[in-house]
Amino acid sequence: NAGVTQTPKFQVLKTGQSMTLQCAQDMNHEYMSWYRQDPGMGLRLIHYSVGAGITDQGEVPNGYNVSRSTTEDFPLRLLSAAPSQTSVYFCASTDVGVGGNSPLHFGNGTRLTVT
Amino acid sequence: AQSVSQHNHHVILSEAASLELGCNYSYGGTVNLFWYVQYPGQHLQLLLKYFSGDPLVKGIKGFEAEFIKSKFSFNLRKPSVQWSDTAEYFCAVNARGANNLFFGTGTRLTVIP
Repeated sequence: NAGVTQTPKFQVLKTGQSMTLQCAQDMNHEYMSWYRQDPGMGLRLIHYSVGAGITDQGEVPNGYNVSRSTTEDFPLRLLSAAPSQTSVYFCASTDVGVGGNSPLHFGNGTRLTVT
Repeated sequence: AQSVSQHNHHVILSEAASLELGCNYSYGGTVNLFWYVQYPGQHLQLLLKYFSGDPLVKGIKGFEAEFIKSKFSFNLRKPSVQWSDTAEYFCAVNARGANNLFFGTGTRLTVIP
């Protein structure tokens, strides 16, 4: 049971480049989310999804797009990377939502540097 | 929107010392409260949670937290810390029925052997 898998683990981009951070879970979780973690700012929610075909914005959605075509996958797209997007990105999932009885399961993170 | 404050940014303790990490949230409605821990080089994992009932909740590894509604607080405690407790601790709050989970800025705990 792999849990939540994020790829890549590390990425360096130049300003203006685009890329997709991949997130896949094999627990049949309905709820998936993306956070960014920055020093002194904790984790901030970027986007989340409560099921296939449904996405919504979190606290800091600007500059990021998401889609949820399957239950398993929830990719995060940076269309035009900026240095302010240098961060560690975590994908997390849970079965019925953050208010349910099961915790968020986090991936191991993607460390992104934008130069 | 909810917000979470963790006033201790970095706490340094010797082994066997007692620990209390503060967490305050701002939201007037019913909330679910969580503490997550991130050990060095690892991803976040749940330490404990409060949904309802007994305001004193016990989690893994001897941690506990007390929900004090009148103070909007959910402080984390452990009577005697170990070197292996060195980690970053995050408090999080979710408004009941909402799909957002808001995290605090985290408290880094360093335990000196």
